Amino acid sequence: EPEVTQTPSHQVTQMGQEVILRCVPISNHLYFYWYRQILGQKVEFLVSFYNNEISEKSEIFDDQFSVERPDGSNFTLKIRSTKLEDSAMYFCASERDRANSPLHFGNGTRLTVT
Amino acid sequence: GENVEQHPSTLSVQEGDSAVIKCTYSDSASNYFPWYKQELGKGPQLIIDIRSNVGEKKDQRIAVTLNKTAKHFSLHITETQPEDSAVYFCAASNTGNQFYFGTGTSLTVIP
Repeated sequence: EPEVTQTPSHQVTQMGQEVILRCVPISNHLYFYWYRQILGQKVEFLVSFYNNEISEKSEIFDDQFSVERPDGSNFTLKIRSTKLEDSAMYFCASERDRANSPLHFGNGTRLTVT
Repeated sequence: GENVEQHPSTLSVQEGDSAVIKCTYSDSASNYFPWYKQELGKGPQLIIDIRSNVGEKKDQRIAVTLNKTAKHFSLHITETQPEDSAVYFCAASNTGNQFYFGTGTSLTVIP
């Protein structure tokens, strides 16, 4: 069964550095998402992406964050000038369409900011 | 926006017993309610979902019920097994909008 793949599985970075988290969504899916899960807390929506542009974003997704689909297969989340509180699991998800189809999640990238 | 609440936060059951997890939502426009299972170190995996035109759905040992009037939905796992131990998340969405997740229930099935 097709799946969403994320790399790396674990990223350690120093405060103030930039990180790029990578995702390859399921190939025939059209909608892409980034979610964040701080340890022990709920899964929080960051941003959705469709047709090469952001369709919705949460208040968490401020100017520090950006997303890109550079080559038609990868979907990336860039975090500039990381802060300690950015430490979390970041999940990429994709969806075939918006007609009540389920989200398919990757296994996540654990980001640790020191 | 939508607010999804989930109870209990932790649940322990003996192997073979049933487990029930409940969620409430606030936005009456929500019409799609998936349930996800998250095992340690992995992303949430869809286990069952229900749409607002249906009151109940069953898939082997897993069932979900939806009460639109009361705005709550529940996950029922029967004949629990140790491999059912995981964190379960409910979610709600309205067609074309983002998914809102509950806070999760950590289920432990005791052999």
